[in-house]
Amino acid sequence: AQTVTQSQPEMSVQEAETVTLSCTYDTSESDYYLFWYKQPPSRQMILVIRQEAYKQQNATENRFSVNFQKAAKSFSLKISDSQLGDAAMYFCALRAGADGLTFGKGTHLIIQP
Amino acid sequence: EPEVTQTPSHQVTQMGQEVILRCVPISNHLYFYWYRQILGQKVEFLVSFYNNEISEKSEIFDDQFSVERPDGSNFTLKIRSTKLEDSAMYFCASSLYNTGELFFGEGSRLTVL
Repeated sequence: AQTVTQSQPEMSVQEAETVTLSCTYDTSESDYYLFWYKQPPSRQMILVIRQEAYKQQNATENRFSVNFQKAAKSFSLKISDSQLGDAAMYFCALRAGADGLTFGKGTHLIIQP
Repeated sequence: EPEVTQTPSHQVTQMGQEVILRCVPISNHLYFYWYRQILGQKVEFLVSFYNNEISEKSEIFDDQFSVERPDGSNFTLKIRSTKLEDSAMYFCASSLYNTGELFFGEGSRLTVL
């Protein structure tokens, strides 16, 4: 069984600053994928960034980057130059084997203007 | 850009009634999923579907739930006799492969009175 843990129910950051959202996971699979999804209020979940476990290089998508620590089973998301539009719930998710995603409980990100 | 669409966006029903939630996955995708999110809680896996049959289901997906792909485009979730605790947002998702990211619809909010 897979588990995903997000220990920060809520985070707040000033606009233009950098924030890091934490995520740890557990799986017995050797081949898996990790994702961060963004869910604005009353909207669908949108993929922010993905990381293949076999890749050592941390994924980066514009202002979004991850710190993937495979041995520690840690997968944090860093958002640089935070913008008001970044305000949302952020879910860390794991996909191992042929099943769907296992989600964490989410972190509510607040952007202070 | 192709997207997953879901109908209805919101349905209110009486306890004990049958509900069908509809989804149109991205057209060339092969794997289909239903998730639910009770208000304020994490996103939970219900079922995955491939090659016209269920490939995996969670403990939540009991005998009152069923899924169907009746016509090659729609993917439906039926709840036979709704309970109060079925009130949630139900998300449909699809993917091309059994690895990699899932693409989510905007969700169907079900309210059971």
